[in-house]
Amino acid sequence: EVQLVESGGGLVQPGGSLRLACAASGFTFNDYEMNWVRRAPGKGLEWIAYINTVASTKRYADSVKGRFTISRDNAKNSVSLYMHSLRGEDTAVYYCVREGNLRDFDFWGQGTLVTVSS
Amino acid sequence: SYVLTQPPSVSVAPGMAASITCAGDNIERKGVNWYQQKPGQAPVLVIYYDSDRPSGIPERFSGSNSGNTATLTVSRVEAGDEADYYCQVWDSISAHQVFGGGTKLTVL
Repeated sequence: EVQLVESGGGLVQPGGSLRLACAASGFTFNDYEMNWVRRAPGKGLEWIAYINTVASTKRYADSVKGRFTISRDNAKNSVSLYMHSLRGEDTAVYYCVREGNLRDFDFWGQGTLVTVSS
Repeated sequence: SYVLTQPPSVSVAPGMAASITCAGDNIERKGVNWYQQKPGQAPVLVIYYDSDRPSGIPERFSGSNSGNTATLTVSRVEAGDEADYYCQVWDSISAHQVFGGGTKLTVL
């Protein structure tokens, strides 16, 4: 059974930093590209970051580019999101998502809540 | 950047069919994926590549894509189908994934 389990969310002050982690199991992790998607309160889904299977290609939404960094460790079946210079508008549930062969998001973690507030 | 437009809400009586649209420039040239998200839960893929269903998704869920509009149809709607629905495409020009704004399906 495919499982994606996020951790690391919490309350952080504006301008602060946070690292989210996602532990993957139930599939051959290094065969799949991975993404982070978030949903802010009262808003819709927003794709924010992508990493390919060997971590040679990373892409970011304009809203987080330069502040967030995605990485992966294929030996540990994990993907991370390092978030810096956090703002109130970064408050959201963050989902770790597996990308399927047709650019779809075929499996999602349960999400971790990040709250940016003083 | 590529924009996907969905109606904010759709309402339907139980047993009837609900159609949720997703508009985008020449969207028929892209593969459209659809997700269902219920309150407090993670999104679930219900349609991929315009009209294919992942295993475990009921046949009541179907998709189509033509011209500038993709459509998700839920036939014989049940109370349990009440959720937010999102369309999504890969924009090759920006190399970004794009979501529509989402549609809240209400079962009357």
